[in-house]
Amino acid sequence: RKEVEQDPGPFNVPEGATVAFNCTYSNSASQSFFWYRQDCRKEPKLLMSVYSSGNEDGRFTAQLNRASQYISLLIRDSKLSDSATYLCAVKGSQAGTALIFGKGTTLSVSS
Amino acid sequence: NAGVTQTPKFQVLKTGQSMTLQCAQDMNHNSMYWYRQDPGMGLRLIYYSASEGTTDKGEVPNGYNVSRLNKREFSLRLESAAPSQTSVYFCASRLSGKNQPQHFGDGTRLSIL
Repeated sequence: RKEVEQDPGPFNVPEGATVAFNCTYSNSASQSFFWYRQDCRKEPKLLMSVYSSGNEDGRFTAQLNRASQYISLLIRDSKLSDSATYLCAVKGSQAGTALIFGKGTTLSVSS
Repeated sequence: NAGVTQTPKFQVLKTGQSMTLQCAQDMNHNSMYWYRQDPGMGLRLIYYSASEGTTDKGEVPNGYNVSRLNKREFSLRLESAAPSQTSVYFCASRLSGKNQPQHFGDGTRLSIL
């Protein structure tokens, strides 16, 4: 089993739709979780961290389920500008270790 | 606000040539990382440096070497480039501490002919 897995999509949704992505991780000792956004041929940029109690940033909501070892990202009221690839990232408990990334989920929002 | 700076942005090499990719960060981050990204493969860790003076192998270290020159700079060297090393290379850095994210440079697009 891969350390971090995502449904690659693509997810094709109309403007205004609500869309959710899940990401599973295999290391139960993982401590930090993030969602990144990557636009075509650009670097990944932090979208939001994922906290144990769940957190929201505008139209974006992130949740962590430790028991089932997955994190989720919910996007409400999708905009054309949300079209991108969304990467989940997980970090283990050891200091200095790198984030492990999923391969990304592609979202395409159309008018 | 420079953040993480990578040079060069683009490079074409012939098989067997050597090349060093440069990365510098001005955020006083302890840890630095090199990833490669290929279609369908996602971001794969090549090497990382948890702190100045230390380096460790990641998932795909073969064919690469790294140097953590000081706290700011972390370079990636290809001693004898191969076509399989054609990729987009991203450098990242991170402050120590739980829930600290990684910040990426804008990448080096490398083609090996």
